[in-house]
Amino acid sequence: QKEVEQNSGPLSVPEGAIASLNCTYSDRGSQSFFWYRQYSGKSPELIMSIYSNGDKEDGRFTAQLNKASQYVSLLIRDSQPSDSATYLCADHNTGFQKLVFGTGTRLLVSP
Amino acid sequence: NAGVTQTPKFQVLKTGQSMTLQCAQDMNHNSMYWYRQDPGMGLRLIYYSASEGTTDKGEVPNGYNVSRSTTEDFPLRLLSAAPSQTSVYFCAIRRDRDTGELFFGEGSRLTVL
Repeated sequence: QKEVEQNSGPLSVPEGAIASLNCTYSDRGSQSFFWYRQYSGKSPELIMSIYSNGDKEDGRFTAQLNKASQYVSLLIRDSQPSDSATYLCADHNTGFQKLVFGTGTRLLVSP
Repeated sequence: NAGVTQTPKFQVLKTGQSMTLQCAQDMNHNSMYWYRQDPGMGLRLIYYSASEGTTDKGEVPNGYNVSRSTTEDFPLRLLSAAPSQTSVYFCAIRRDRDTGELFFGEGSRLTVL
């Protein structure tokens, strides 16, 4: 079982809707979590990080962390066609000093 | 992606050939990483280096070698290329020593025939 699980999608939403992306992780010791956005043919870029239970908001993005249930989510409000990309969830394995990535969820926002 | 430079951006090899993917950073960060990305597999760690002079294996190190003789450079060597090594390779640095946040280079797309 992969340490970080994501639905590969595609997740299709209309422009202006809320896109909800989910991720589960297996390492109960993980302390920090990240959402990266990757456009086709480009490298991943960090959009959100979250370290404690609850919600963290940054503009149209909200990251949610529930350590008891071992899931992380990313909400994108007022989705735009420019948000169409693959979203990678990652957790920080402190024991090995590395990020473990999920396989990513492809988001398609239609005009 | 200024700060992490990968070369070459594209490369085609024949099975059995060797080559080196270069990664250079000008941000003076200690930790550097090599990931490969394949369709449906996500990013998988090949090797990483916590500091100059140290390297450690990641999830998929077989067929690769690395060295870290300077803070700036972290080259990835393919010893004898195989078609299974066809992939996109990303070098990354860890910008914040207290978290896992990574900053990636633009990637190197390798095809092995």
